[in-house]
Amino acid sequence: GDSVTQMEGPVTLSEEAFLTINCTYTATGYPSLFWYVQYPGEGLQLLLKATKADDKGSNKGFEATYRKETTSFHLEKGSVQVSDSAVYFCALSVSSGNTPLVFGKGTRLSVIA
Amino acid sequence: SAVISQKPSRDICQRGTSLTIQCQVDSQVTMMFWYRQQPGQSLTLIATANQGSEATYESGFVIDKFPISRPNLTFSTLTVSNMSPEDSSIYLCSVLGGGNYGYTFGSGTRLTVV
Repeated sequence: GDSVTQMEGPVTLSEEAFLTINCTYTATGYPSLFWYVQYPGEGLQLLLKATKADDKGSNKGFEATYRKETTSFHLEKGSVQVSDSAVYFCALSVSSGNTPLVFGKGTRLSVIA
Repeated sequence: SAVISQKPSRDICQRGTSLTIQCQVDSQVTMMFWYRQQPGQSLTLIATANQGSEATYESGFVIDKFPISRPNLTFSTLTVSNMSPEDSSIYLCSVLGGGNYGYTFGSGTRLTVV
């Protein structure tokens, strides 16, 4: 079945450090890929998405590129801030659109000043 | 994208009781999805609710424990029945709101069973 594997956390970085959170997927169809963020005590917010190969999603300084050849969608940010401390979830949906998201296990990021 | 109002936002319940969680969407949607997020864990799909038919439950979740209603295209409820401390989790609803596969989530219901 469809699945998402993302790097284990927690990840602790100093402010202004470079962030990479790895995400790879297995899908029978041609999925859309997502990154969601969950700030402490809050629900899930869509951070960025990509719907086809080589698409780059970007938002709030975060980027991720849909790499079909490596079945990956790694999240990157050039300079993290304390306010980026949250749990990040990689997710996929097969392209029919009426199917639920499949989530990775989440990666907790802590950014220290 | 769609906006979801989910309530209650949190509750503390006695074991053996039931809690009903509501999600109201500001637009008509075909599918609504209910997830559980246990402490420190990822989201697990409980069921998919389609208006006018019974919900489809994932392995490990049964209708007697998590009955779902979907009376119209903008509203759904999930009931957590006969609760035990193991049911303490965050419960979230989600819809596919708008084009281009944008999934929106409710703000979640943080349930503690004592």
